[in-house]
Amino acid sequence: RKEVEQDPGPFNVPEGATVAFNCTYSNSASQSFFWYRQDCRKEPKLLMSVYSSGNEDGRFTAQLNRASQYISLLIRDSKLSDSATYLCVVNSAAGNKLTFGGGTRVLVKP
Amino acid sequence: GAVVSQHPSRVICKSGTSVKIECRSLDFQATTMFWYRQFPKKSLMLMATSNEGSKATYEQGVEKDKFLINHASLTLSTLTVTSAHPEDSSFYICSARDPGAYGYTFGSGTRLTVV
Repeated sequence: RKEVEQDPGPFNVPEGATVAFNCTYSNSASQSFFWYRQDCRKEPKLLMSVYSSGNEDGRFTAQLNRASQYISLLIRDSKLSDSATYLCVVNSAAGNKLTFGGGTRVLVKP
Repeated sequence: GAVVSQHPSRVICKSGTSVKIECRSLDFQATTMFWYRQFPKKSLMLMATSNEGSKATYEQGVEKDKFLINHASLTLSTLTVTSAHPEDSSFYICSARDPGAYGYTFGSGTRLTVV
């Protein structure tokens, strides 16, 4: 089983719609969780951190469920510019080591 | 915010030659930097953790004699791909964490093509 698993998609989303997807992690002792966005042939860029209580940043909402060991990302009012691969990233209990999920591809279409 | 500069952004080299990739933290000091490799349509795989002033820590399956890492200062880590082969062609990305910021910052990546 992979340490961090994501549905690869693609999720085809009409512009203005809402899309949500999850990421599961296997290490129950994981400490920090992030969503990164990666555009084609570019480096990942931090989208948002994920806090235990859930957090929102504009149209993006992240949730953490420690009991079921998954995190989620919800995008409201999707824009064409939201088309990208969204990477779930988990910081291991050992400290600084980041483990990446395989990414979920989102395609927002007019 | 924290900036990590990586270069070259793109390099083409012949089989058997060596290629050096630099990763610099521009406005913060990084005692630890990370080197990743990403194949097309795959996720990032951690290759090694670069530690300033000491040996790098390599992930299982990564040849330390082939991927030489040097972290000589608090702002610079280098990855040298030695005796490159076509199968080493990939996207190599470094990252570091600014202690004053949250999350990890990535360099812009180096696309290596070995012909």
